[in-house]
Amino acid sequence: GESVGLHLPTLSVQEGDNSIINCAYSNSASDYFIWYKQESGKGPQFIIDIRSNMDKRQGQRVTVLLNKTVKHLSLQIAATQPGDSAVYFCAEIDTGGFKTIFGAGTRLFVKA
Amino acid sequence: EAQVTQNPRYLITVTGKKLTVTCSQNMNHEYMSWYRQDPGLGLRQIYYSMNVEVTDKGDVPEGYKVSRKEKRNFPLILESPSPNQTSLYFCASSLSGTGVGEQYFGPGTRLTVT
Repeated sequence: GESVGLHLPTLSVQEGDNSIINCAYSNSASDYFIWYKQESGKGPQFIIDIRSNMDKRQGQRVTVLLNKTVKHLSLQIAATQPGDSAVYFCAEIDTGGFKTIFGAGTRLFVKA
Repeated sequence: EAQVTQNPRYLITVTGKKLTVTCSQNMNHEYMSWYRQDPGLGLRQIYYSMNVEVTDKGDVPEGYKVSRKEKRNFPLILESPSPNQTSLYFCASSLSGTGVGEQYFGPGTRLTVT
């Protein structure tokens, strides 16, 4: 697979534990946010999204929290599994400009 | 199968030799975009297109061109490639013309410019 993040922050968790991945975004005008998962050798894959008029959204085993005051986004993964091992990116979209800005990413290792 | 396809998947070329990376989606999506991914820098947007004949620059457009003559295709053109364009390139599409909503990514194109 391709090496896409040689110097990424890394989070290592035990299988079955909960994971929390954090992201600081840059543009206070951004009003839509997405978390993506990227496995080795593949393109990013959508996990969950949230609009700026919300502070929390839940999916299957995942929860995204948004704190607009400090421009912070987090992704919580419940009962982390080996298949969750990947690089996780947050992305912000300024709908006024249509641009998408990705964070640098966090590598999640799940220990069996 | 709904997908975004890119060709070629791997390309090694020399400085100055024009090349095109094709991108095609079969989901009738309005929005398409090109990104480059470099170690430690995440994905950076090169160009995006809100609809046919409507394109705009992302954060790193220098040295690249795009066109959107048809809804399904969004080729990336490097008129005179340079070594600093060695990277992993991803094409993506989204149903919404604003890019809001899930973006579906292609498998990536690994480009090396010597």
